[in-house]
Amino acid sequence: EVQLVESGGGLVQPGGSLRLSCAASGFTFSSYWMSWVRQAPGKGLEWVANIKQDGSEKYYVDSVKGRFTISRDNAKNSLYLQMNSLRAEDTAVYYCAKSIAVATNDAFDIWGQGTMVTVSS
Amino acid sequence: SYELTQPLSVSVALGQTARITCGGNNIGSKNVHWYQQKPGQAPVLVIYRDSNRPSGIPERFSGSNSGNTATLTISRAQAGDEADYYCQVWDSSIVVFGGGTKLTVL
Repeated sequence: EVQLVESGGGLVQPGGSLRLSCAASGFTFSSYWMSWVRQAPGKGLEWVANIKQDGSEKYYVDSVKGRFTISRDNAKNSLYLQMNSLRAEDTAVYYCAKSIAVATNDAFDIWGQGTMVTVSS
Repeated sequence: SYELTQPLSVSVALGQTARITCGGNNIGSKNVHWYQQKPGQAPVLVIYRDSNRPSGIPERFSGSNSGNTATLTISRAQAGDEADYYCQVWDSSIVVFGGGTKLTVL
């Protein structure tokens, strides 16, 4: 079964850091672009970052540039999001998502269940 | 930056056809993807590349894209179709989502 499972969310103070993980299974992880998408409470979907199969290209939404870092470990079939200098507006459910097509940016056909990040004092 | 515009809400009578639009500058030149999200659940892909249905998605779901508007059409709407729907495109290497449309089945 193709599956993505996020972990690492929790409560953190403003200015703090958190590292999210996404464990992939059931497909050749190293062949696909991967993304992080977030959803603030009661709000719509917001793309956060994506990373090429080999990690050589990474892109970010402007609001997290310089604070968040996306990475992957293909040997461990895992995707990560290092979040630093967290702000209240980063509070959201964070999903990892897989591109439907090999080696290209496309629709997201598989999503994890999400992990909640709350930034509050 | 590229923007996608969706109506906040759409209502449809049970068994009738619902159409949800997604507006963007020359969106017809892009591949549009649609997601369904029910409360407390992760999004589910229902249409990709304008008009393709993933495995397991009913034929009642269809899509089209031309000019400045893409449309998700849900035929013979069922109570289980009540959800939020989001359109999405790639703008260079950046993902853009529409603001989402809440579909109510009456």
